[in-house]
Amino acid sequence: AQKITQTQPGMFVQEKEAVTLDCTYDTSDPSYGLFWYKQPSSGEMIFLIYQGSYDQQNATEGRYSLNFQKARKSANLVISASQLGDSAMYFCAMRISGAGSYQLTFGKGTKLSVIP
Amino acid sequence: DADVTQTPRNRITKTGKRIMLECSQTKGHDRMYWYRQDPGLGLRLIYYSFDVKDINKGEISDGYSVSRQAQAKFSLSLESAIPNQTALYFCATSDRAGENYGYTFGSGTRLTVV
Repeated sequence: AQKITQTQPGMFVQEKEAVTLDCTYDTSDPSYGLFWYKQPSSGEMIFLIYQGSYDQQNATEGRYSLNFQKARKSANLVISASQLGDSAMYFCAMRISGAGSYQLTFGKGTKLSVIP
Repeated sequence: DADVTQTPRNRITKTGKRIMLECSQTKGHDRMYWYRQDPGLGLRLIYYSFDVKDINKGEISDGYSVSRQAQAKFSLSLESAIPNQTALYFCATSDRAGENYGYTFGSGTRLTVV
């Protein structure tokens, strides 16, 4: 079974500093995708960034980057120059590719608090 | 209007009552999903549907049923609600072309069973 592990239930970061949110995954499938979502206190799920298992370069989207280490099966999210609006829950998720299988499996999340 | 609309946004119901959560989408996606979120547990898949005639159980389907009335509509029912079904419920959609973007989520339905 596929599994996503986020070991940090909560994190604090000073405003304008960078922060890394950890995510490790477990799958034997060679083709998969890794995602990060943000959930602010209002509750909606906001897609942040995607990394495919065959992508050679780490994904970046503005202040978000994904530190993909395939051999270690890790897909950490790096947020640069943290802002107060980054305070939220962050979920790592994995999608396994395969016939009929495009389900996302989520980690338990990390609550990030940005301190002024 | 939102791409994925969930109704109601909030609901309080009594133990033993039947309740239906509705989801409609304007994305044109063929795949729809129901997840529930509990504090400290992340999101867990309840049911998913790849088209109108294809319904599949997810990780935690016991106590739930679904209906895919049309490509754009996917409803989740709790036949006899119990307190441990109190949670935040999300509907989501996806398609093959958008698989690099994960899912499009609705705003969620916060259900409380008393």
